[in-house]
Formats: sequence, structure tokens, C-alpha cells
Amino acid sequence: AQSVTQLGSHVSVSEGALVLLRCNYSSSVPPYLFWYVQYPNQGLQLLLKYTSAATLVKGINDFEAEFKKSETSFHLTKPSAHMSDAAEYFCAVSDFGNEKLTFGTGTRLTIIP
Amino acid sequence: GAVVSQHPSWVICKSGTSVKIECRSLDFQATTMFWYRQFPKQSLMLMATSNEGSKATYEQGVEKDKFLINHASLTLSTLTVTSAHPEDSSFYICSARTGTGGLSEAFFGQGTRLTVV
Repeated sequence: AQSVTQLGSHVSVSEGALVLLRCNYSSSVPPYLFWYVQYPNQGLQLLLKYTSAATLVKGINDFEAEFKKSETSFHLTKPSAHMSDAAEYFCAVSDFGNEKLTFGTGTRLTIIP
Repeated sequence: GAVVSQHPSWVICKSGTSVKIECRSLDFQATTMFWYRQFPKQSLMLMATSNEGSKATYEQGVEKDKFLINHASLTLSTLTVTSAHPEDSSFYICSARTGTGGLSEAFFGQGTRLTVV
């Protein structure tokens, strides 16, 4: 079985500061990992994904995440927060043969002006 | 990227009535679509996997007779909430993959907010 844990249901950072959203996974097989963003009353948009290629993955809007097998982590970072980054962020896991995505509980990111 | 369109974006219905939500893949064919339910400030919970031309596969604890899923074509899946009750009020989201297997990207509809009064 696969699972994802997102530490911190709510993170606040100042505009221009570093964004760090944490995600740890549990999987019995090599995982595929994803970060999605959700704006209010909208569906999810893919930010980036790890599929066993490079461990440092770059996504849209200057977000990136690093897959660390030894730490079973896939934390999301952005060097400089922008007001438009305020949203809910979900980490998700699947594996090669499984189309189902298992989502974490989400982290709400607030940007302080 | 690929577009998944969900309709309606919001609906209010009376308790005891049925509501149909449509999920369309606009520019690709989706053999498999997924239906999720999201409670306020919570994560997405997979309800069922919808397969074109066959019966949907429901997750444990999801009532098949209450949440009817029909995947009649490669671009359309529908979720019907039958005999809706206030506890069915939630945000329902569909997604479709552009291919098969875990590598294929999942695209999400904009969601449908259902309120049962």
C-alpha cells in the first residue's frame, strides 16, 4: 500500500521568502511522486512529477522538488514566494502499474505581504 | 496540456432528488476516468475508477447504488448522485489520464460543488 504524509496543514511565508512544503511517502515499490496545486473551488493542476529520472525535478512557476530515497521525502520548494502562490498544495503517489493517485492531506500556503 | 471539463461547476438540489455530473475530456480520449470527493479542508478521496464500456470499480466504503457511474464513451463519464441527502454535499472532482499506467499524466476537471438542502 502507498501513502503520503504532508507535514503542516498550514504554512505561512512572507512574499519573497523561501517556500518549503514537506512530503514524505511510503511505498513498497519504486514510486512516482507528484505535486499538485489547487486554487479555491477549482480542480488540481500538476506542478511537477518524479518518475525515476532525475532526482531534482523542476516544475512550473519556479517550483522544484527533490526525491530523496534515503529520507522517503519529496519536499516542494520555491526560492521566492509570490502572492499568486497562495493555494492548497497536494503531494500524491502512484506506481508504474497503478493509475490511481493517493493524495496527502494537503498544505494550505498563505503568503504574507 | 489536455483539458478535462466538468459540468456543472456548482449545483444545489433538494434532498431526495438525483444529480448528474458530467466529466469530459475535450482534446484526448480517456479510457479511464476517476471520480474523487473532497470535503472542506480535506484531501481528495478516490471514489471510483470509471472504465469506458464496462462497470466502474468502486473504492471500499463507496455505495455503488448511490453513486452511479457511466462511462459511455472515451470522452465522457458521468456521476449520478441518487436520492441525495445533505451528507452528500461535497466537492466532486473527476480526472482523466492521457494514457495508461502510472507514468501517464492525470488531468483534473474544475470540480463540482454539490449542496443538498
